[in-house]
Amino acid sequence: AQKITQTQPGMFVQEKEAVTLDCTYDTSDPSYGLFWYKQPSSGEMIFLIYQGSYDQQNATEGRYSLNFQKARKSANLVISASQLGDSAMYFCAMRETGRGAQKLVFGQGTRLTINP
Amino acid sequence: DTAVSQTPKYLVTQMGNDKSIKCEQNLGHDTMYWYKQDSKKFLKIMFSYNNKELIINETVPNRFSPKSPDKAHLNLHINSLELGDSAVYFCASSQAGPGRTKVAFFGQGTRLTVV
Repeated sequence: AQKITQTQPGMFVQEKEAVTLDCTYDTSDPSYGLFWYKQPSSGEMIFLIYQGSYDQQNATEGRYSLNFQKARKSANLVISASQLGDSAMYFCAMRETGRGAQKLVFGQGTRLTINP
Repeated sequence: DTAVSQTPKYLVTQMGNDKSIKCEQNLGHDTMYWYKQDSKKFLKIMFSYNNKELIINETVPNRFSPKSPDKAHLNLHINSLELGDSAVYFCASSQAGPGRTKVAFFGQGTRLTVV
């Protein structure tokens, strides 16, 4: 069974600092994908970044990067130069590939607050 | 040009009523989903459809019935609403394929309140 764990219920960071949001996962499937989503107070789910289990390099998307450590089964999100607009809930999710496994399993989320 | 749109955004109804939430995607994706987000913000899949065929039904009460008239639409009908059904329901879609193409894009959510 899949499992995603986000151990930080809440994080408080000063504006312009970098922040790392932790995510560990557990799966027996050798092929999987890892995702991060942002949910601002307005409620929508915004895709941020994707990492495939066979990708050789860590994914980057603008100020977002994913610190993928396969042996440790961790996929931490790094936000550089944080902004007030980064305040939101952040969810780590995992998807297995393969027929019939068409779902994302989410972690509990981390509420990030950026202080001015 | 909204990619995944669901209506209504808010739904307040009395216990025992029947209600529907509609979802449409214009991304050309072949897979659509319904997720439920509870009061603690935990997201859990309810259903998944691929090309109008039900793939996943995650132990959801049979009061919930998804319907996919075509691969661009996935509606959720809920019978005999209960207080515990109050939650935010998200529709999402994705495309089968390698790597990043599998990214699921979400609608804006429907906040259902049962009183």
